[in-house]
This record gives sequence, C-alpha cells and structure tokens, in this order.
Amino acid sequence: QQQVKQSPQSLIVQKGGISIINCAYENTAFDYFPWYQQFPGKGPALLIAIRPDVSEKKEGRFTISFNKSAKQFSLHIMDSQPGDSATYFCAASKQLRGGYNKLIFGAGTRLAVHP
Amino acid sequence: DVKVTQSSRYLVKRTGEKVFLECVQDMDHENMFWYRQDPGLGLRLIYFSYDVKMKEKGDIPEGYSVSREKKERFSLILESASTNQTSMYLCASSLYRGNEQFFGPGTRLTVL
Repeated sequence: QQQVKQSPQSLIVQKGGISIINCAYENTAFDYFPWYQQFPGKGPALLIAIRPDVSEKKEGRFTISFNKSAKQFSLHIMDSQPGDSATYFCAASKQLRGGYNKLIFGAGTRLAVHP
Repeated sequence: DVKVTQSSRYLVKRTGEKVFLECVQDMDHENMFWYRQDPGLGLRLIYFSYDVKMKEKGDIPEGYSVSREKKERFSLILESASTNQTSMYLCASSLYRGNEQFFGPGTRLTVL
C-alpha cells in the first residue's frame, strides 16, 4: 500500500511564481521527512528535510511546511526559476533498530518552470 | 565529494538472462540500498544492506537477490530477467544511523 501520497503528479509554473507540492502520510511513527530533487539523468539528491517537532523549515527559496495533526507536509519553492525544473520526491522514514533509515517515497512531481 | 557509482548507465538484456548491477560508494558508508524507479510509482526499495554480508528485503524483493562482499560494493542480481523488470535502478548509501541517502546516477535496464 502507498504510505506516502504525493500530489500533483505534474506542475507547470511561470518563472517567479510559487511552486507547491503536497504530501500526506499514514504512519505516525515516521520521524523524518525529506524532499529529494532529481534532474534528468541524475540520481535524486537531498534538498531539504524536517522533523515533526517543528512546523516549518526554510532554506533559501525552499520551505517545508509540516502539519502533524493532519499528517501532511508540503514543499514551497518561492520565486521559482527554470533551473528548478526537476522531479521532486517527498519521503518519510523511521530509523530502525539496525541503525538504518528506511525511506518511503511518494510517487514524485515533475515540475516545469517556464521562463 | 561523496560519490556513488553504478557500473552501467544503460543495459539491454534478453528475457531469462542473469543480470548483475554493480554499485560502489567511496564514502565508507555502512548502509547501502537498491531501489527501482517507475513513473507514477516513485522509488521502491528492493533490498538493503547494513553491513558486509548482511541483507534485508525491502518492499519488492521478488525476482531479485543481492550480494555485499565488501563494504563499498553492493550488487543487485536478477536471476532470470523478465520484461516487467524493465526499469530504472538506483543505488544509494548512507551512514550508520544517518538520515541522508546518497544516490548513484541510475542504470536504465531494458529486458526484451
């Protein structure tokens, strides 16, 4: 079953606009919520991450908003640029007793920022 | 600079062939992972390893096996490739108790 639901599947934004991607999770044991960015021909790379003890985290133009009671979190890209065009994956994880972090990924959102 | 490399960017194999996908990381990470990426399904975990010679099944292990003989190398094996295993395969690594996973560039496998 899909434990992390991501929407929309694709998104077109004009340069300078705000891109918003939403995710919802089911398992309340998750304690780490990263966003990964993937450019064509490359593997995903960590963009920004949040833990459930804070409601917002901002790094430059990228902000994660986290709503623990609703079990939802979202990525906001302010002043979107053509260079932000990529596929974005949300994920959720819980560290297991073996010392590893098993990530559950959303389905991905393909973002296109038009000049 | 952290580096995860995968042996091939593109691979074409025939149904029934045994396929080896190799992954090497140079960061001395304890944990290594194999995912497959399919449109609309995101990344799904096939297998992972938290130590040499140790392995754990992920969410979709059927039809796959893995091998980790050295800390830096993690191999994914398709014992008898099938067309439904046509996909992008991504390898990743992370530190023990680390949250961030570092991904390789992926291998696009086509099974004919």
